[in-house]
Amino acid sequence: ETGVTQSPTHLIKTRGQQVTLRCSSQSGHNTVSWYQQALGQGPQFIFQYYREEENGRGNFPPRFSGLQFPNYSSELNVNALELDDSALYLCASSRAGSNYGYTFGSGTRLTVV
Amino acid sequence: AQTVTQSQPEMSVQEAETVTLSCTYDTSESDYYLFWYKQPPSRQMILVIRQEAYKQQNATENRFSVNFQKAAKSFSLKISDSQLGDAAMYFCAYRDGGATNKLIFGTGTLLAVQP
Repeated sequence: ETGVTQSPTHLIKTRGQQVTLRCSSQSGHNTVSWYQQALGQGPQFIFQYYREEENGRGNFPPRFSGLQFPNYSSELNVNALELDDSALYLCASSRAGSNYGYTFGSGTRLTVV
Repeated sequence: AQTVTQSQPEMSVQEAETVTLSCTYDTSESDYYLFWYKQPPSRQMILVIRQEAYKQQNATENRFSVNFQKAAKSFSLKISDSQLGDAAMYFCAYRDGGATNKLIFGTGTLLAVQP
């Protein structure tokens, strides 16, 4: 059983650029959630995807968008990067209807300069 | 809105001793779940233990147990026989019983284990 894989592990971008982060969900999981974890903080929920549609969103602006593919993998896209977007981005997969928590990836560390 | 509070930014424990990490939460929901996650330097969030709000019995997983006080909205984690590998950031998290698997995290407690 494979876990959640995220790529890349580290990324440096310039303010104003766009970035795409990728996540492969755990085998058997059909729901993907994305979280932003600023330094020294707990993760903040960005959004969730199920059946290739967004079905829940946190307090993040529209320049944060995502996709889910038929194989349940997912992308997080951030446009017009700001310095405050520098954070660890975590992906978590789960099975819809399951209350057994989530499997997290090791995250992508994004630095905006 | 639901909130999760961890009032201990850092804790320290001697190897083989017991330590308790505190967590309080606020919600008006009756159906919810509570979790403790461990985040080592590898950054991956690892589930330590979970508790369903409708269960009165406190959850236990080997050396890890919780003290769930629903009326007080308190959910503390007890680690017995602490090991060096327990050193990590610990996050308390809440999820309500709705369709969205949104987790609300506290700010974390950094646990150091002294040999």
